[in-house]
Amino acid sequence: NAGVTQTPKFQVLKTGQSMTLQCAQDMNHNSMYWYRQDPGMGLRLIYYSASEGTTDKGEVPNGYNVSRLNKREFSLRLESAAPSQTSVYFCATPRGLGDTQYFGPGTRLTVL
Amino acid sequence: AQRVTQPEKLLSVFKGAPVELKCNYSYSGSPELFWYVQYSRQRLQLLLRHISRESIKGFTADLNKGETSFHLKKPFAQEEDSAMYYCAPRPYVNFNKFYFGSGTKLNVKP
Repeated sequence: NAGVTQTPKFQVLKTGQSMTLQCAQDMNHNSMYWYRQDPGMGLRLIYYSASEGTTDKGEVPNGYNVSRLNKREFSLRLESAAPSQTSVYFCATPRGLGDTQYFGPGTRLTVL
Repeated sequence: AQRVTQPEKLLSVFKGAPVELKCNYSYSGSPELFWYVQYSRQRLQLLLRHISRESIKGFTADLNKGETSFHLKKPFAQEEDSAMYYCAPRPYVNFNKFYFGSGTKLNVKP
């Protein structure tokens, strides 16, 4: 039972390159979330998906797209990476009593 | 506007000293409140939630609706408590969404 997995763990991109961050959960929950974590800014919600086939913008969606491929998988795409997108990205899904957030291990992205 | 404020970016205390990490929120209605912790190089994990009224690893947090605060407290800090702490309200209005504060880094010195 892995919970929430994210790939890759680390990535370095050049400005303008594209990439997709992958997230998968085996908790069979409908909701999934993408956050970015920046020093002094805490965690900010990028996009979330309340159920398969639906996605909604969070606080900082600009420059990102998402796909809820199925109930298990929720991917985050950077079409044209910018240095301002250097961050640690966390995927999360609710778990347990009260549906509290359970986080993946994170992807550390650097855009040069 | 809904918001959550953690006024201290860094809090340094000596081992054995009391700790209080502040969290103030501004939300309409009655949000549910959580504290999350992130130890070095680990994923964020739930520390405690106000509904449970529990003590986890010696930490407690009391919801003060009058002051709209949810401060995290521990009477005697330990070195292993050093971590980032995030306050996270979840407005009942939109059950699916969490909002996280900017975080406080707790450094417990030996």
